[in-house]
Amino acid sequence: EAGVVQSPRYKIIEKKQPVAFWCNPISGHNTLYWYRQNLGQGPELLIRYENEEAVDDSQLPKDRFSAERLKGVDSTLKIQPAELGDSAVYLCASSATGSGANVLTFGAGSRLTVL
Amino acid sequence: DQQVKQNSPSLSVQEGRISILNCDYTNSMFDYFLWYKKYPAEGPTFLISISSIKDKNEDGRFTVFLNKSAKHLSLHIVPSQPGDSAVYFCAASAEGGSEKLVFGKGTKLTVNP
Repeated sequence: EAGVVQSPRYKIIEKKQPVAFWCNPISGHNTLYWYRQNLGQGPELLIRYENEEAVDDSQLPKDRFSAERLKGVDSTLKIQPAELGDSAVYLCASSATGSGANVLTFGAGSRLTVL
Repeated sequence: DQQVKQNSPSLSVQEGRISILNCDYTNSMFDYFLWYKKYPAEGPTFLISISSIKDKNEDGRFTVFLNKSAKHLSLHIVPSQPGDSAVYFCAASAEGGSEKLVFGKGTKLTVNP
């Protein structure tokens, strides 16, 4: 079974440039998460989707961040424009809804460096 | 306000000995706890979990203990192996685990041969 697939794995951009990350969750997993992990910190939730619906986006900086999950499968996280403080690893995770406790399966992450 | 705290940034143990990683939480609504392991350049992988209705859960060399009154949990690895060297994250959730996971900052475990 393929795991959670993310791309690109690494991205280096100048500040004020846009960037987008893509995630393909585990087949059949209805719940998809985007987390951000800053250096030396634990992952912090940005947004959670149940199928196509964003059910928790309270931590998403909506002035520059946007996300979508068309057709309830793949998801894209966009930052426009990027700032120096956005340098982090962006982790996508998925879980099976209705399975009781959510055990998240994470992708390898997309490491963003903003210069 | 950090709701899940891992106060030891790093831990070093000898191969074959016990590793004990600690985690404290402040939110009394948390009732489901997980440990994730993370190798460099990889995403976190699920290791073991425990519900608040239990005080111990064991899976092979890994055991998690939960002390609800102290709002404290610990992960024991016995015996420790060099391949266990990784960053370990404690995470907590409310509503039986259906709410979002809140992670600690992680503890880097190094197991020396």
